[in-house]
Amino acid sequence: GQQVMQIPQYQHVQEGEDFTTYCNSSTTLSNIQWYKQRPGGHPVFLIQLVKSGEVKKQKRLTFQFGEAKKNSSLHITATQTTDVGTYFCAVPMEYGNKLVFGAGTILRVKS
Amino acid sequence: ETGVTQTPRHLVMGMTNKKSLKCEQHLGHNAMYWYKQSAKKPLELMFVYNFKEQTENNSVPSRFSPECPNSSHLFLHLHTLQPEDSALYLCASSQLANPGGYYEQYFGPGTRLTVT
Repeated sequence: GQQVMQIPQYQHVQEGEDFTTYCNSSTTLSNIQWYKQRPGGHPVFLIQLVKSGEVKKQKRLTFQFGEAKKNSSLHITATQTTDVGTYFCAVPMEYGNKLVFGAGTILRVKS
Repeated sequence: ETGVTQTPRHLVMGMTNKKSLKCEQHLGHNAMYWYKQSAKKPLELMFVYNFKEQTENNSVPSRFSPECPNSSHLFLHLHTLQPEDSALYLCASSQLANPGGYYEQYFGPGTRLTVT
């Protein structure tokens, strides 16, 4: 079945530093979604990428979809304490409206 | 966010108890999902319902029994659970996409379940 590897598992940064999490698949993806889960909260949809090489920005967050549509990244510029949480990528399975979630990257920001 | 609600938010039950988790979505979606989130595992899809018909049972033990009476409500009936079933149970909903497309999922706040 569809699988996606997400790295790193955990990252602790100083406030103001940048942060990046990566998702990699062995197969070509039709699209990829990113979610954020705050501590004690639930996953919240951030964005969906569909096109090869696509880059989308949301304020300090930059999302990229690889040219081969097998990998994606989420980059946060100048992290703030409000960025803490777990960031998940999610990819659709080969059939049906089902998502496979990556293991997530836990971000901690030290002020 | 109140698009997807779940009750109860916290539940402690013994291994011989029977309880039910409830989920309701107010977004007009036609697909609903149950996920299990454990401390050291990624989100695990348990069940999928499209237009209140079950389309996926991801090898879930029979002690978990879902019910979807309509497109807005989803239940998860629990009986004779094990301590390893303690986890956060999340409900989600989405629109059904056309082939090749996909819609994002909206999650409820979850039920924190502890089995003693």
